[in-house]
Amino acid sequence: DIQMTQSPSSLSASVGDRVTITCQASQDISNYLNWYQQKPGKAPKLLIYDASNLETGVPSRFSGSGSGTDFTFTISSLQPEDIATYYCQQYDNLFTFGGGTKVEIK
Amino acid sequence: QVQLQESGPGLVKPSQTLSLTCTVSGGSISSGDYYWSWIRQPPGKGLEWIGYIYYSGSTYYNPSLKSRVTISVDTSKNQFSLKLSSVTAADTAVYYCARLVVPAAKTAAGAFDIWGQGTMVTVSS
Repeated sequence: DIQMTQSPSSLSASVGDRVTITCQASQDISNYLNWYQQKPGKAPKLLIYDASNLETGVPSRFSGSGSGTDFTFTISSLQPEDIATYYCQQYDNLFTFGGGTKVEIK
Repeated sequence: QVQLQESGPGLVKPSQTLSLTCTVSGGSISSGDYYWSWIRQPPGKGLEWIGYIYYSGSTYYNPSLKSRVTISVDTSKNQFSLKLSSVTAADTAVYYCARLVVPAAKTAAGAFDIWGQGTMVTVSS
């Protein structure tokens, strides 16, 4: 099984801040990594696929990078509507999600 | 625009079988570009992939649940279904159906790109 470890598990930042979340895979997964946003009471929404590609319609303040075992998700300027939990997901071998990062406004 | 909608009982007794259906609208479940998946999320916890089915009927399940899971498809109704047997309180969760882009796709391969709204299933006597 491939384990996905996200950090931090939660963070608090001010509007306009740059926010960074990391995701580490237990083995090399190339760029087979996606990122999702889940708002309270809602289904997850795909934001980034293949580690760095922005899904259609997703604001450009969201970005992703990385390959192999280490990946980064960034919100360049945090907005109030970005309050959510963010998950990484690998698809190199079946499908597993990270534990999530809850983003709150300070 | 493709939409997915889960349906089924919200309460299941321990040791019984959980049964859910996902209805696909706005597109055909027989598209070769997608698998059709089930994912669950226990209250306050993370996401767990359960399994997927192709329109042809071929399936793949999470090894941790494989002995208890059956996913089936009804292309005439544009629906696919989940059965999870011998449930316990640990199976209490929000269950989502989701569209999974096939690995051979040029973009977003391996991504769950469309999700249903989710349905809460509680296992309790």
